[in-house]
Amino acid sequence: AQSVAQPEDQVNVAEGNPLTVKCTYSVSGNPYLFWYVQYPNRGLQFLLKYITGDNLVKGSYGFEAEFNKSQTSFHLKKPSALVSDSALYFCAVRDEGVTGGGNKLTFGTGTQLKVEL
Amino acid sequence: NAGVTQTPKFRVLKTGQSMTLLCAQDMNHEYMYWYRQDPGMGLRLIHYSVGEGTTAKGEVPDGYNVSRLKKQNFLLGLESAAPSQTSVYFCASTRGNQPQHFGDGTRLSIL
Repeated sequence: AQSVAQPEDQVNVAEGNPLTVKCTYSVSGNPYLFWYVQYPNRGLQFLLKYITGDNLVKGSYGFEAEFNKSQTSFHLKKPSALVSDSALYFCAVRDEGVTGGGNKLTFGTGTQLKVEL
Repeated sequence: NAGVTQTPKFRVLKTGQSMTLLCAQDMNHEYMYWYRQDPGMGLRLIHYSVGEGTTAKGEVPDGYNVSRLKKQNFLLGLESAAPSQTSVYFCASTRGNQPQHFGDGTRLSIL
């Protein structure tokens, strides 16, 4: 079975400061990992993914995420937060070893990011 | 460049009524999904489809039915709506290892 945990319901950060949104996962095989962002009254928008290769993945809007296999983590980071980054962020995982399962993702419960002036 | 389109955007139903939510994608994706989003619970998969004419149950399928008669459309039906089905419903589609593309959701209230 695949699962993902986002341990923080909310993260507050001042504009210009670095931000981190945490995600840990559990899979039997190798993980495919994704980060999505959701703005109010909108659907989820893709930010970045890790399939294989470099552990540091760069994505949209200046976000990046670091894959750490030993800690089974995939934390989302940004060097300098903007007020416009305030949104709900979801981490998702798929087990690469599961076939015939429709490429289903398991989502975390989401972390609300609030960036203040 | 529409992507994933969901209709309707909002709906209020009475307990026991039925309705169908429509999802349409114009990206020729094989896989399509229906999720519900509830506060503090993230997204939970209701049903999914790996191709035209095929459907399968997800994590929370009870009370819902789906159909995929055409590759571009994925319908979600509530035969007898219950207050517990008040939620925001999202449709998504993808192919291969690509990210899922999401619609903007249907906000459904059941009184």
